[in-house]
This record gives sequence, structure tokens and C-alpha cells, in this order.
Amino acid sequence: DIQMTQSPSSLSASVGDRVTITCRASQYISSHLNWYQQRPGKAPKVLIYAASSLENGVPSRFSGSGSGTDFTLTIASLRPEDFATYYCQQTYDTPLTFGGGTKVEI
Amino acid sequence: QVQLVESGGGVVQPGKSLRLSCVASGFTFRHNGIHWVRQAPGKGLEWVAVISYDGNNQYYGDSVKGRFTVSRDNSKNTVYLQMNNLRPDDTAVYYCAKDRRTTTAEGETDYFESWGQGTLVTVSS
Repeated sequence: DIQMTQSPSSLSASVGDRVTITCRASQYISSHLNWYQQRPGKAPKVLIYAASSLENGVPSRFSGSGSGTDFTLTIASLRPEDFATYYCQQTYDTPLTFGGGTKVEI
Repeated sequence: QVQLVESGGGVVQPGKSLRLSCVASGFTFRHNGIHWVRQAPGKGLEWVAVISYDGNNQYYGDSVKGRFTVSRDNSKNTVYLQMNNLRPDDTAVYYCAKDRRTTTAEGETDYFESWGQGTLVTVSS
């Protein structure tokens, strides 16, 4: 199985900060990497698919990069509604796997 | 708009069975694969299973293989998750999610485009 390792597991930030979350795959996954945001008590929501493509309706302050085994999610300028948990996911091979999550807190 | 509604959750004893349903609307159901994802209380996301658009292919996570079965009825816009021999560590919110297959410069890839609100399954004696 492909293991997805996110770092950090949590971070504290302020409104307006630039935030970067990293995700590493245990083996090559090309660009089959997606990022999701989950607010407390809510279902996850896709932000970025195929490593760097912004989902329709997602603000442009979110961006993704990387290929192969190393990926990043960047929030250019943190807004209050961005305080949430973020997950990476690989869809290169089954079983599909998620990273452990990164909680972004104030 | 796309809507996915899960139901069937509840409290069940270890070793018993439960069937979850996911009813879809707002898109051509027979065109898309559907996934099940679960989240134990206070924990991260775990992929459970997927069924292809036509129901001919199913794949499972390691922890549920041999105990859970995913199926679909395209005439009812519904996907089912039959869960047998339930264990306490199956306790979680179960989400269904619509697969979106898209083409990029590097080929086809999938992501979970829409999610339901989830249904809670509690396995306890």
C-alpha cells in the first residue's frame, strides 16, 4: 500500500499568513494527488486535484504543486474560514490512501 | 446540484451486520463511480471501497476486505455498503463520494468531487 505522510500534523497561524503543507508518498504516484479541506462537523471538500489543478469555485489563494513523491499545498493569505484540517490523497493505486491530516489553527 | 445522502447508520453489536445506503441526485448517476470513506471519531479519513459506474468492478480497503460488500442499483440512483461481522474499530462516520475522472497532461486521474453529509455507525455491546 502507498503511505501518505503529511507535515506538519498541526500548525498555528494568523489571518494573512502564508501557509504551506507538505505531503510525501512512499512511492511514485505521478500527479495523482488531491487535497481536501474539512471543517469541524462537515464533510471534506476538494480543493486541488491532479496535484495542481484548482477545483471550480475554490479561491485562487489555494495552490498545489509537486509530482512524483513530494507535494505541497499553499494558502497564499490565510482567511478566517481557512481554519480547518487538510488532507492529501493519492489515487494512483488501490487501496486509495489519505495523509494523516494537517490541522490549521489560530 | 449534486446531492448524496447516506442513511442506515446506527448502533450495532459486534459481529452483527448493517447496510448503508447512498442516494444520489443532480447528475447522471450511471456515469460515475462511487466511493465510501469513513472517519473514526477524532481521527483522519480512511478509504473503504469503490464501485465502478456500471457495478462491474469493486475494490476495498485492507481493513474491510472480506467483510464489506459494495453494490449499486442504477435504476434507483443508489449505492449500498453491506457491512458484516462488524467490529468496534468500524465505528465511524461513513461518507459516500462521487468519483470524478478527469484528463490532465499526464493522463486520466480521479478525485472525489462531491461528498454526502455522512452517517454514523457505532459498533458496541
